[in-house]
Amino acid sequence: AQSVTQLGSHVSVSEGALVLLRCNYSSSVPPYLFWYVQYPNQGLQLLLKYTSAATLVKGINGFEAEFKKSETSFHLTKPSAHMSDAAEYFCAVSGGGNAGNMLTFGGGTRLMVKP
Amino acid sequence: GAVVSQHPSWVICKSGTSVKIECRSLDFQATTMFWYRQFPKQSLMLMATSNEGSKATYEQGVEKDKFLINHASLTLSTLTVTSAHPEDSSFYICSARVGMGYGYTFGSGTRLTVV
Repeated sequence: AQSVTQLGSHVSVSEGALVLLRCNYSSSVPPYLFWYVQYPNQGLQLLLKYTSAATLVKGINGFEAEFKKSETSFHLTKPSAHMSDAAEYFCAVSGGGNAGNMLTFGGGTRLMVKP
Repeated sequence: GAVVSQHPSWVICKSGTSVKIECRSLDFQATTMFWYRQFPKQSLMLMATSNEGSKATYEQGVEKDKFLINHASLTLSTLTVTSAHPEDSSFYICSARVGMGYGYTFGSGTRLTVV
């Protein structure tokens, strides 16, 4: 069984400020973890993924996330927010060891960026 | 990169009619596709997993006779909403697993409105 919890359904930051979106997971097997971004009325775009290699994962658009097994966390960060970062962000987990496993999504976090 | 094309992007239909949504993998073979439903301001809910050439596996609570999924080829999966009702109005998104690893690519979504 696997699940994802995203703390904070809404996060608001000022342009240029640090972005921190929280994600905690539970998984009975070593997890593969993902962050996706969704703009209104669009599908999901992959930001980054952790698949048991380096624990600090760098993604697109300046985002990165760190896998911390002891904390069962995979928080997403970006040093300096841009207006174009305003969107919905989803953390997802997939169970390792079974290539057919589907993704389980967290509830999502809406990021708002103030000028 | 792997691209999934989803059509239509939006559709309005009358109550009682059926609507077909198509997802095509453009530059890879998608042996497994996933269909999600997303309500406004909510996360993605997995409806079913389809494997090419076999029957789809539906999640608990999803009516298989209402949401018909066909995955007849390695590049095409379809979702047909039969006898649509206003409560079926939602955003539907397909996703394909890329290769045997943990890459997932998403369609751009279909906004269904039943009137």
